[in-house]
Amino acid sequence: GAGVSQTPSNKVTEKGKYVELRCDPISGHTALYWYRQSLGQGPEFLIYFQGTGAADDSGLPNDRFFAVRPEGSVSTLKIQRTERGDSAVYLCASSRYRDMNTEAFFGQGTRLTVV
Amino acid sequence: DQQVKQNSPSLSVQEGRISILNCDYTNSMFDYFLWYKKYPAEGPTFLISISSIKDKNEDGRFTVFLNKSAKHLSLHIVPSQPGDSAVYFCAASASSNTGKLIFGQGTTLQVKP
Repeated sequence: GAGVSQTPSNKVTEKGKYVELRCDPISGHTALYWYRQSLGQGPEFLIYFQGTGAADDSGLPNDRFFAVRPEGSVSTLKIQRTERGDSAVYLCASSRYRDMNTEAFFGQGTRLTVV
Repeated sequence: DQQVKQNSPSLSVQEGRISILNCDYTNSMFDYFLWYKKYPAEGPTFLISISSIKDKNEDGRFTVFLNKSAKHLSLHIVPSQPGDSAVYFCAASASSNTGKLIFGQGTTLQVKP
């Protein structure tokens, strides 16, 4: 498909476990963004990449959260020692340029549930 | 602190009528505003945007109005259609960091046939 792909679509994990969430952006898009949406809230910025480097990681809530994009395409969001408060839908988006004001395309999200 | 606020969690309108969704912001550094639409189990999709140098932008049935002095924007949908039923998010960015959007909480619009 031509859209942003996120896997898995659903993930249930036990408190304290480690999880990885994957995002495949649209081919040719140099910018990639991660957002988190809790129930009843709007998406909350976590981090964005321009190419391989994190241009802004100010939204990562604490050092349990880490994201990588080693080859400038696929990105992985990693959460260590998961907590119940981490339960949310994790959204990934990509855009051709480093600018969400141009049209950025979101994936369908990964619903993470920590039990 | 909630820099972008959508104070109405839900809105219900009749098909063919106008839908007006409102959004307020507090950060005067915001200079670009976007509306996204979201269906259940899908990611948000871009709908329409407006730069702070304008006060109106129109795209088909969708018009966004910006009142900078009041730090308020609104999305008008005319005429409303049942397929417009979705959650609508207002978002804002500052030119100093266009990679970061600040979203409102969303308004659920229901258009009744």
